[in-house]
Amino acid sequence: ETGVTQSPTHLIKTRGQQVTLRCSSQSGHNTVSWYQQALGQGPQFIFQYYREEENGRGNFPPRFSGLQFPNYSSELNVNALELDDSALYLCASSIGDKPFSGYTFGSGTRLTVV
Amino acid sequence: AQSVTQPDIHITVSEGASLELRCNYSYGATPYLFWYVQSPGQGLQLLLKYFSGDTLVQGIKGFEAEFKRSQSSFNLRKPSVHWSDAAEYFCASVSGNTPLVFGKGTRLSVIA
Repeated sequence: ETGVTQSPTHLIKTRGQQVTLRCSSQSGHNTVSWYQQALGQGPQFIFQYYREEENGRGNFPPRFSGLQFPNYSSELNVNALELDDSALYLCASSIGDKPFSGYTFGSGTRLTVV
Repeated sequence: AQSVTQPDIHITVSEGASLELRCNYSYGATPYLFWYVQSPGQGLQLLLKYFSGDTLVQGIKGFEAEFKRSQSSFNLRKPSVHWSDAAEYFCASVSGNTPLVFGKGTRLSVIA
């Protein structure tokens, strides 16, 4: 079992709309990272939250935002959706000061923007 | 900047044959290194990881990987491939406060 749950599994949105993706982290993991994986590509780092604060961000515009809650669940919000936002979105939980503990990934949310 | 390179986009192997997937990392210090496997439409499953110590690490499903500092490599190997090993394989690294960085992946096809 992964210990990380993502919802929904699939989603179809129209260009210009907003979307919220959710992630429930593995118990005891205080860090959550979000990744975008376009078809045929490796996952690209969007941002990371540690104890409810963003502490790292990849090369993504501000319309990609997130939240982490005290129970370590988190959200990824994307505003003004574009066709290129169509991808698999993965969240991963880890222990913030122990990267060697590894990252546990959810199964992802497949977002299609039409 | 930290980077991971997987030179092979697609590899085809006969069932029962040996496998080696290549991975090179670029970072000044020794990073933590990982191999993940992804089946179609699925998330990422950790196969193995390296932090320090013995440079040959064993993972799940019969996979192993060897860290070679002199070559900045962390290649994944399996002595005998099974049809169920067909998937996408990703090498990744993290160092210090950097995020987990992935290579572009190698797609493995297994033929009878």
